[in-house]
Formats: sequence, C-alpha cells, structure tokens
Amino acid sequence: EVQLVQSGAEVKKPGESLKISCRGSGYSFTNYWIGWVRQMPGKGLEWIGIIYPGDSDTRYSPSFQGQVTISADKSISTAYLQWSSLKASDTAMYYCARHTRFGELSDWFDPWGQGTLVTVSS
Amino acid sequence: DIVMTQSPDSLAVSLGERATINCKSSQSVLYSSNNKKYLAWYQQKPGQPPKLLIYWASTRESGVPDRFSGSGSGTDFTLTISSLQAEDVAVYYCQQYYSSPFTFGPGTKVDIK
Repeated sequence: EVQLVQSGAEVKKPGESLKISCRGSGYSFTNYWIGWVRQMPGKGLEWIGIIYPGDSDTRYSPSFQGQVTISADKSISTAYLQWSSLKASDTAMYYCARHTRFGELSDWFDPWGQGTLVTVSS
Repeated sequence: DIVMTQSPDSLAVSLGERATINCKSSQSVLYSSNNKKYLAWYQQKPGQPPKLLIYWASTRESGVPDRFSGSGSGTDFTLTISSLQAEDVAVYYCQQYYSSPFTFGPGTKVDIK
C-alpha cells in the first residue's frame, strides 16, 4: 500500500526555524514527484511546490519561492518542507502528496499525507 | 500562472437532488498533442486531507461512486453530483496540472438543504 506519513504537529515562535517531513512507503520513492500544499485555518488549498527525489529537481509556486525550501533524502524515502524564519502567517496545516504516475511532472495528487499542523505564536 | 476560479462559493442541495460545481481556468488546460484536459477534482471533508475524485477532467478514480461525474472543455469544467447523499457534504476543489505551479481553485462548499 502506498502511504505518506507526515511528522507531528509543531508549535513554534516567530523567527524560529522548522523542518517538517513526509515519509513515503510502498513504492519507489525516487521515481514519483512529491509535493506540498498549504491550508490556512478555514481556507482553501494552496500549491507550494514539488520535488523529484531521483534528481532533486524542484519547482516552486512564485508565491512561496524564497519563503520555504523543499528537499528530499532518498536514502530514507523522506521529503521535507522547511522554514528558516517562521512568521505568524505560516500558521497552517501542511499536506504532502504524491503524483500518481511514474516520473510524470504534470500529474494529479494521490495519495495525500495526513497533514502536519504548524502553529506559530509568540 | 494559471488562475482557477470556482462557482458558486457554496451551495445547499436537498438529499437526492443534483449538485453542480463549476471551475474555470484562466487559460486552456487542454494539451493538444494528446487531447487530454489536465484538470482534477478533489473532495475534502472536515479534519481530513483531500481525496482525489476525478482526473483528466472526467475519469473517475477507482472506488468513487458513479454519482460523481466530471465534464468540460479547455477552460470551463463541471463536477456534478447526480443525487446528493449525506456523506457528500464537503468542500470540493479543482486543480489544473497543465503547467507549474499546479494551482487549485478556491473551493466550493456543499451542504444539505
């Protein structure tokens, strides 16, 4: 069974750094694009970016470029989303999700991780 | 970036009645070389991650009830729930995967009247 398991909820202060994770299992991690989606409280889905673990090719939404960093460690089948300096406005649920088709960039998301709630408050 | 819009923002439909959700892209998501429309629909229930319903604008994901159907052209798409059930109460999102960034629509909330 293909599964994405995300790291647990985080509570941080403004200015702190953070790295959340998404571990894939049940498939060849290196050969499927895996992405991140933000959902602010009570709001819709926002596409952050995506990475191909095989060669670390990464694409970002212009809205998030420079604000976050997406990376992957294929040796442990894990993708990451990180911030160097959190803001209160980063408070949101963050989902990872995998593209469905082998090696395809232009693809839909399935499956999804369970989500990681990030709360940034002083 | 391709901008996705949805209408209405919310709708309330009686049980057993039809629900129709519209999605529009700011540019065509029809890839002429394969004649495929790069548009997916997701359902999100409270406290849950989104669930894939439809891809290629009209192909139902395995296990999705056949009361859900998708249709559309290069820029205008529709998700139809032919006979609304209580378990269909959710927010529905469209997403284009034609070009990065693979943007989502703002969502349509479906409730029971």
